[in-house]
Amino acid sequence: KAGVTQTPRYLIKTRGQQVTLSCSPISGHRSVSWYQQTPGQGLQFLFEYFSETQRNKGNFPGRFSGRQFSNSRSEMNVSTLELGDSALYLCASSLLFSDNEQFFGPGTRLTVL
Amino acid sequence: AQTVTQSQPEMSVQEAETVTLSCTYDTSESDYYLFWYKQPPSRQMILVIRQEAYKQQNATENRFSVNFQKAAKSFSLKISDSQLGDAAMYFCAYRSAKTSYDKVIFGPGTSLSVIP
Repeated sequence: KAGVTQTPRYLIKTRGQQVTLSCSPISGHRSVSWYQQTPGQGLQFLFEYFSETQRNKGNFPGRFSGRQFSNSRSEMNVSTLELGDSALYLCASSLLFSDNEQFFGPGTRLTVL
Repeated sequence: AQTVTQSQPEMSVQEAETVTLSCTYDTSESDYYLFWYKQPPSRQMILVIRQEAYKQQNATENRFSVNFQKAAKSFSLKISDSQLGDAAMYFCAYRSAKTSYDKVIFGPGTSLSVIP
């Protein structure tokens, strides 16, 4: 069974631009969570989707948004990029909302210049 | 709000020796899950071991075992017979058992080096 895939793996943008990151969960998994990882703040929860509905959201500004499609694939969007948005963005999927094991993708490394 | 603390930013262990990584957490809930994740230089986060709070028995996965002390809110990871491939960042994580709450809270991590 294929693991969680994230595209693109690397991305370079400039301040003010917007970016869309994609995550394909493990087949059959319906929950997708997104995390931001930076050296200073560590791993921080962004949001979680289950069956196309956002169930939880972390403490991030409205510039960060996401969605989930009927096939469970998820995208996250960051508008008006700031230098501080440079980070590794990790996506994780789990089978059901009651499942307690998340499987992580390799991440997307976003650099904002 | 729940918090997870890892007081050892860096640790090292001799190959084939045993090392213990510490983790403490704070929560007012009685039912939850605890995890140890490993993140090698490749950045791929891998689940090492998990513990359900309602289980008194400590979880074990091959060379990895935990010491779960619920009253003390402590969850340490013991790696036995350390191997070079164990070198990585290790994150302790907490997740509520509430069925509609998938948020995982991570600690700051411990960087483990394995000395040949």
